[in-house]
Amino acid sequence: DQQVKQNSPSLSVQEGRISILNCDYTNSMFDYFLWYKKYPAEGPTFLISISSIKDKNEDGRFTVFLNKSAKHLSLHIVPSQPGDSAVYFCAASARGGNEKLTFGTGTRLTIIP
Amino acid sequence: GAVVSQHPSWVICKSGTSVKIECRSLDFQATTMFWYRQFPKQSLMLMATSNEGSKATYEQGVEKDKFLINHASLTLSTLTVTSAHPEDSSFYICSARVRQGADHTQYFGPGTRLTVL
Repeated sequence: DQQVKQNSPSLSVQEGRISILNCDYTNSMFDYFLWYKKYPAEGPTFLISISSIKDKNEDGRFTVFLNKSAKHLSLHIVPSQPGDSAVYFCAASARGGNEKLTFGTGTRLTIIP
Repeated sequence: GAVVSQHPSWVICKSGTSVKIECRSLDFQATTMFWYRQFPKQSLMLMATSNEGSKATYEQGVEKDKFLINHASLTLSTLTVTSAHPEDSSFYICSARVRQGADHTQYFGPGTRLTVL
């Protein structure tokens, strides 16, 4: 039972354009969401998080949007840079982040120079 | 801030031996650390939750006698793979959770590649 889904296994975007990565969840108890970036043979790097009391959080080039009614979140990266090429995982937790993380399956983002 | 280290970064061992992996939070205290395993081209699989001063909580299907976890201090958790076999070869990643107000972010270590011959 995949409670967190990233339906696009891969995405290619031109450098300088906007990258939009999507994530859907099924568990209504999830109220804390995070995005991580991962390179091969490395641990995930935290990018940005959002609590369910908000619908948007922004940090530099990264913005996360949360649509609770649709149980959907997205990560926007603008402008996209070659160094953004990596696998992106969304993760969800309940009880304000006190519960364990449930990860999506990841989306491989490739930025085309 | 929020740096997590792992040691070793890679290890090769013979079948039947035990391997210990350390996870340290370098600039914050972590009452809770987590151990994950990642198979090629797959997502991270949570193995266990490690709480300082108490027994670890293992996920379903993870053998607690095979994967021994010790969380001796607020900055150190260890995972020992006992009597390792080739099927235990994998990429093991730990994380440590910050608890500052509403911030409950998990920060991950760089991972340990285990190869069992």
